[in-house]
Amino acid sequence: DAGVTQSPTHLIKTRGQQVTLRCSPKSGHDTVSWYQQALGQGPQFIFQYYEEEERQRGNFPDRFSGHQFPNYSSELNVNALLLGDSALYLCASSLGTTGTDTQYFGPGTRLTVL
Amino acid sequence: GESVGLHLPTLSVQEGDNSIINCAYSNSASDYFIWYKQESGKGPQFIIDIRSNMDKRQGQRVTVLLNKTVKHLSLQIAATQPGDSAVYFCAEEANDYKLSFGAGTTVTVRA
Repeated sequence: DAGVTQSPTHLIKTRGQQVTLRCSPKSGHDTVSWYQQALGQGPQFIFQYYEEEERQRGNFPDRFSGHQFPNYSSELNVNALLLGDSALYLCASSLGTTGTDTQYFGPGTRLTVL
Repeated sequence: GESVGLHLPTLSVQEGDNSIINCAYSNSASDYFIWYKQESGKGPQFIIDIRSNMDKRQGQRVTVLLNKTVKHLSLQIAATQPGDSAVYFCAEEANDYKLSFGAGTTVTVRA
């Protein structure tokens, strides 16, 4: 049973650039959530996608956008990168039938902005 | 604002002893709670969960206790092993599709 996968593992960008991160959910899951985890802190919710729509969003600027594909995989896009965007980006998948579903996390993508 | 927090940032425990990790939450609307374990360089790993209609739930070597009166959650690990060394997060969900995490407790197991 395949778990949540993310790519790439690591990424280095410079300020002002744009980045796209990818996530494939756990087999059987239809919902993908994205989180940002700064060093030494807990993950912070960015947004959740269900049925190819953004269903819920956290306190992140519009520079952060996403997409969900018909096969339930998802992308996170960040435009106009800032130094403060350096973090571990986590994808979590769930079976999104209720507002309290167990979310299972992938290994994350480590983004470094120089 | 409302948030989930842990009482202690670090916990050192002797191998074989029991560990107790505490968490306080402030969102009275939260009705689902999860404990995650995160090892260095990895994503959070699901340990155990509990819904607000329960006050205790047991898994393999782990027990979660929920006290809604004082908005407190704890994770008990029996017979702590070196492989239990990690950062532990409690997270809460209020039927709004998003998890809110605390800052985490780093558990170090002494041989």
